[in-house]
Amino acid sequence: ILNVEQSPQSLHVQEGDSTNFTCSFPSSNFYALHWYRWETAKSPEALFVMTLNGDEKKKGRISATLNTKEGYSYLYIKGSQPEDSATYLCAFSGGSNYKLTFGKGTLLTVNP
Amino acid sequence: DVKVTQSSRYLVKRTGEKVFLECVQDMDHENMFWYRQDPGLGLRLIYFSYDVKMKEKGDIPEGYSVSREKKERFSLILESASTNQTSMYLCATLMNPGSSDTQYFGPGTRLTVL
Repeated sequence: ILNVEQSPQSLHVQEGDSTNFTCSFPSSNFYALHWYRWETAKSPEALFVMTLNGDEKKKGRISATLNTKEGYSYLYIKGSQPEDSATYLCAFSGGSNYKLTFGKGTLLTVNP
Repeated sequence: DVKVTQSSRYLVKRTGEKVFLECVQDMDHENMFWYRQDPGLGLRLIYFSYDVKMKEKGDIPEGYSVSREKKERFSLILESASTNQTSMYLCATLMNPGSSDTQYFGPGTRLTVL
């Protein structure tokens, strides 16, 4: 059974704060690491697909890094806004993108 | 933009009923998936399909079956619903299982079995 862990489980920050959370995954048989944002009552939205050790990706105020050798990825949000409030999911794929193993998510709440 | 729609946002059924959850995509993706999401757990894969009439079991297929008669539509069937199948069900699609692609999700169906 693959173990994908996300921390923290939940996080409350003030508007304007920068924040980050972690996804840890098996370091063997790595294929890709996926980040999603899931807002209440909406579909999970793909943020990043990361495939190479040392990868850094950025989308607006959100960025992510990847370390496949030690099995972790960080997601950073700079200057959090209330609209960033969501559950952030990471998913590990080992071998192909048919089977994703998801973490339990980090619930971010940004207070105005 | 990929559009994945699910037939109902909320559904309430009784124990023993046969339940159909429908998923439709408009992007001609080969691959479709059904997950369930429960509090305190990550999304878990029930079944997936990589082509019309083809299906593969995921991690938790017990109590479920699927049907893929047309490329754009993937149905999840609960033959005899039970209370432990109360959950949020999410459908997803994938164009290409290659490393740079990702799965695209529908909005989910929250099923309650009484």
